[in-house]
Amino acid sequence: GENVEQHPSTLSVQEGDSAVIKCTYSDSASNYFPWYKQELGKGPQLIIDIRSNVGEKKDQRIAVTLNKTAKHFSLHITETQPEDSAVYFCAASYTGFQKLVFGTGTRLLVSP
Amino acid sequence: DTEVTQTPKHLVMGMTNKKSLKCEQHMGHRAMYWYKQKAKKPPELMFVYSYEKLSINESVPSRFSPECPNSSLLNLHLHALQPEDSALYLCASSQPGPGGATDTQYFGPGTRLTVL
Repeated sequence: GENVEQHPSTLSVQEGDSAVIKCTYSDSASNYFPWYKQELGKGPQLIIDIRSNVGEKKDQRIAVTLNKTAKHFSLHITETQPEDSAVYFCAASYTGFQKLVFGTGTRLLVSP
Repeated sequence: DTEVTQTPKHLVMGMTNKKSLKCEQHMGHRAMYWYKQKAKKPPELMFVYSYEKLSINESVPSRFSPECPNSSLLNLHLHALQPEDSALYLCASSQPGPGGATDTQYFGPGTRLTVL
């Protein structure tokens, strides 16, 4: 079935620490894995994405890794800042034309 | 510019009302989406339009009626809604990838709908 599991549901870190969020997907045909950040009262904002033909992608303090064999992908945020506090959603594409299925979300709190 | 706009920002309606949500993008994207997001939950796909044609309907009740009048606009017509339909309604757009492959979706800020 179409399912994306995401852990942890909440994550509290101190400013400057690293944060890691993990997701698992069920369909081996999935080939696109975006990460979205959603602040209170706003729509999801794409922060990074990865396609199945690469294993890792970095953009400044943010990185995503993909293990297709294990059907795992992870978001890594280094040197966290209070403005990183938000809900983060992973997603995976599923067959059926541009359908994204989202994980359950991780509430990240970065304390000064 | 990766902006998707949605109006209104907030909407309160009774169960007998008819209202519409509007979404607009000027990125030249040819795929547009409606999602529903309940509090503390992830977005759930409702409809997908590709090249102004409905390509996915995720078994949404008929009291929600989508419309894509042109490549930049997407509407969601609401009629006889229930209180449990109260949620944040998100619009997104993307450029269809080759062979229908998934491409980056950009979301609008959403319309916060309350059904009394």
